[in-house]
Amino acid sequence: EAQVTQNPRYLITVTGKKLTVTCSQNMNHEYMSWYRQDPGLGLRQIYYSMNVEVTDKGDVPEGYKVSRKEKRNFPLILESPSPNQTSLYFCASSLGTGGTEAFFGQGTRLTVV
Amino acid sequence: RKEVEQDPGPFNVPEGATVAFNCTYSNSASQSFFWYRQDCRKEPKLLMSVYSSGNEDGRFTAQLNRASQYISLLIRDSKLSDSATYLCVVNPPSASKIIFGSGTRLSIRP
Repeated sequence: EAQVTQNPRYLITVTGKKLTVTCSQNMNHEYMSWYRQDPGLGLRQIYYSMNVEVTDKGDVPEGYKVSRKEKRNFPLILESPSPNQTSLYFCASSLGTGGTEAFFGQGTRLTVV
Repeated sequence: RKEVEQDPGPFNVPEGATVAFNCTYSNSASQSFFWYRQDCRKEPKLLMSVYSSGNEDGRFTAQLNRASQYISLLIRDSKLSDSATYLCVVNPPSASKIIFGSGTRLSIRP
């Protein structure tokens, strides 16, 4: 089954404790991206990757890191989480950016206390 | 001006009604457009693509107006299960990202 898998689905952590949210897709997609979704603000792109070893900042990259060492995986790293990073996070993948469907993971609800 | 703008709603309509909402985009050279549906606290999923000639899928009709730079979604004979947030997506040319609107919340009441 074609899918994007995120883990964990739910996470409560403390300020400053490094964490990684994993994202994996099995569709051989080149394009992957991370979004955060907050009430009233919609989906905001954090980082994206056009292919292996190619990553770039989205609209709200501060406080986040990513890596793309393999085509299927695109982890999101919070080196020192802060309460303002409490949000619902989605990973997405697609064949490209133009004219292709984006597939989303089920989301990770992160709470930083 | 935002790249993609949607009326956040909520639109609250009775079951069986017809409802329509628009999404405006700022880049006139944008080339592909989509509508996604997102249920509460779940991931967005593709509802339908929007072609230049329009697109109809059952009760749903999507249209593109390039002159005025907006896309629209029309839902006929609305069902309770249509209650969701509808996100428009615009892909500008040679862009490295997919741009999502902030969503329009639709609530269908019995």
